[in-house]
Amino acid sequence: DAGITQSPRHKVTETGTPVTLRCHQTENHRYMYWYRQDPGHGLRLIHYSYGVKDTDKGEVSDGYSVSRSKTEDFLLTLESATSSQTSVYFCAISEVQRYGYTFGSGTRLTVV
Amino acid sequence: AQSVSQHNHHVILSEAASLELGCNYSYGGTVNLFWYVQYPGQHLQLLLKYFSGDPLVKGIKGFEAEFIKSKFSFNLRKPSVQWSDTAEYFCAVRRRALTFGSGTRLQVQP
Repeated sequence: DAGITQSPRHKVTETGTPVTLRCHQTENHRYMYWYRQDPGHGLRLIHYSYGVKDTDKGEVSDGYSVSRSKTEDFLLTLESATSSQTSVYFCAISEVQRYGYTFGSGTRLTVV
Repeated sequence: AQSVSQHNHHVILSEAASLELGCNYSYGGTVNLFWYVQYPGQHLQLLLKYFSGDPLVKGIKGFEAEFIKSKFSFNLRKPSVQWSDTAEYFCAVRRRALTFGSGTRLQVQP
C-alpha cells in the first residue's frame, strides 16, 4: 500500500528478549515515524526520523530505540521487551512533514 | 503539552443518520489538522486535512470538517452515514509530528 511495508506482521516474544521491527518504504520519503496503538490511547509517537541517521524521540520513547541507515528503512528495537510493550505498531511515512502521513499495515506484537 | 481531545468514544447510529464527531486541540499556534479513519483490521487512511484557507474542508467518502479557530475545534461531519462507515475515527494535529486523539468508534446499524 503506497510502497510501505512492515515486517513481521505478527510476533510473539518472551519478556526480556530483544525485538526489532522493520519498516521499509519505496517512496523515497524523507520522514518516517513509529507509532504504537493501544485501546483508549489512539496512536502515540515513539520515535521519528527526518533523514538518514537523523532521529528524534516521541512521547513514549522509553524502552525503544531506532535506527535509520538508509532512506528506505527505519528499524524499531525493543532492547528488552516487557508486557507493557504488547501493542500494535504502525510505521508511517511522509514526503513533506506538514502533509498527511501514509501508514503501513501494522505489526501486532505480543510480549508474554 | 499539545493534546487532542475526542470526547465521543463510542457512537452508534442508524443508517442515513447525520454524523458529527468532536475534536478539540490545545495548541495555540498555527496548526495542520487531520482526520483519519481505520476500518476493522486495517491501517489508518487519510479522510481529510486542513492547512489554511477555507475552514470548511471536504474529504473523501462524503466527509467534511470545519475548523473553528476560536473554539480550537475541528469537527468531522457527514450528512448521511452508511453501514460501511463503521470504523474508528481519529483526529490529529501536526506540530513536530502528528499527535492523535484517542479515537471515536462509530458503529452504524443497518
